[in-house]
Amino acid sequence: DAKTTQPTSMDCAEGRAANLPCNHSTISGNEYVYWYRQIHSQGPQYIIHGLKNNETNEMASLIITEDRKSSTLILPHATLRDTAVYYCIVRRYSRETSGSRLTFGEGTQLTVNP
Amino acid sequence: EAGVAQSPRYKIIEKRQSVAFWCNPISGHATLYWYQQILGQGPKLLIQFQNNGVVDDSQLPKDRFSAERLKGVDSTLKIQPAKLEDSAVYLCASSLRRFRPATNEKLFFGSGTQLSVL
Repeated sequence: DAKTTQPTSMDCAEGRAANLPCNHSTISGNEYVYWYRQIHSQGPQYIIHGLKNNETNEMASLIITEDRKSSTLILPHATLRDTAVYYCIVRRYSRETSGSRLTFGEGTQLTVNP
Repeated sequence: EAGVAQSPRYKIIEKRQSVAFWCNPISGHATLYWYQQILGQGPKLLIQFQNNGVVDDSQLPKDRFSAERLKGVDSTLKIQPAKLEDSAVYLCASSLRRFRPATNEKLFFGSGTQLSVL
């Protein structure tokens, strides 16, 4: 069900930008791209989401390619507390339930090193 | 603003026993979700409520799992009887939307209940 592809793991130096890629080549026109992260022993935390345009908030920036087949989450100045599993998710509408399902893949383990 | 509350934080039971988890969503949130997260995997949706009605329970093993959300607020998830493969973290999440769940809303998660079945 989850149609996103992410690297299994990435490393980043503290203070540098972390760029996390995600492929979602089967995305449909009205489906949003979401990013969540999960710090050890906690529940997932919402980061950002977008449809077509690039988005920025206090946590991160989301860059979506023009064809919408891939996106990149950017943490501009990574800190040790950003070490977590990052999930890229395409939120799909379900005809069966007339609702939408957030389906998680296995995500990218980002390790920020001092 | 208080977050999603879950209890207990940890639970250890033997196989074939029963167990229940409780969730209190963020005040005013109409949609409530239960997810199961097995070690090393991403969370998997078990059931989704809109107010006190079930929207999606297609991935809930109904022979042993049940969930209810009385009065559209708190929810309980029960496993009876438990199997070894039910060992996982059970996460509750909520979102605000009062009508049909949309594709552009955020979910807020609790810290989960870690279940170990021996």
